[in-house]
Amino acid sequence: EVVLTQSPATLSVSPGEGATLSCRASQSVISNLAWYQQKPGQVPRLLIHGASTRATGIPARFSGSGSGTEFTLTISSLQSEDFAVYYCQQYYNWPLTFGGGTKVEIK
Amino acid sequence: EVQLVESGGGLVPPGGSLRLSCAASGLTLSNNAMSWVRQSPGEGLEWVSVISGSGTSTYYADSVEGRFTISRDNSKNTLFLQMNSLRVEDTAVYYCAKGGYDNGGYFDYWGQGALVTVSS
Repeated sequence: EVVLTQSPATLSVSPGEGATLSCRASQSVISNLAWYQQKPGQVPRLLIHGASTRATGIPARFSGSGSGTEFTLTISSLQSEDFAVYYCQQYYNWPLTFGGGTKVEIK
Repeated sequence: EVQLVESGGGLVPPGGSLRLSCAASGLTLSNNAMSWVRQSPGEGLEWVSVISGSGTSTYYADSVEGRFTISRDNSKNTLFLQMNSLRVEDTAVYYCAKGGYDNGGYFDYWGQGALVTVSS
């Protein structure tokens, strides 16, 4: 099983600042990595797939990078609606696995 | 517009059974890989099971293998998850999720979720 480790667990950021979230895989998943955003009481929303392809309707301030075992989600300038929990997920190997999440909170 | 609507959640004692349904509109299930993903209260996301677009392949997380069965009814465009021998640790919100257009392993549409509580 591919273990995804997200860091940091919590990130405190002021509105307008940038944020960088990390996801490390225990073995290579090539570029088969997705990122999701989940706000309290809401359903997860797909942000990025293929490590760097933004999903339909996702603002350009969200960008993904990386391949193999190291991946990054960057939010260039946080808006109030971006404070949420972010999960990475690999779909290279069975079973599909998610990271533990990074909570982005208001500083 | 793609819509996924789960139903069938509820309270069940340990060892009991439950069947979840996911009614789909705006897409044809037989053309898409479909998964169930769950989230325990206050916890992260856990993938549970997938059925391929053709319906010929299914995969399960180790934690549910042998107890849960994924299936679908193409005539009703509905996905199912039959859950047997339920355990307290199966308590979670269960989401049905559509596989991505180019690879069924990520999820581009999610239902609103169905809460399953396993408790005596």
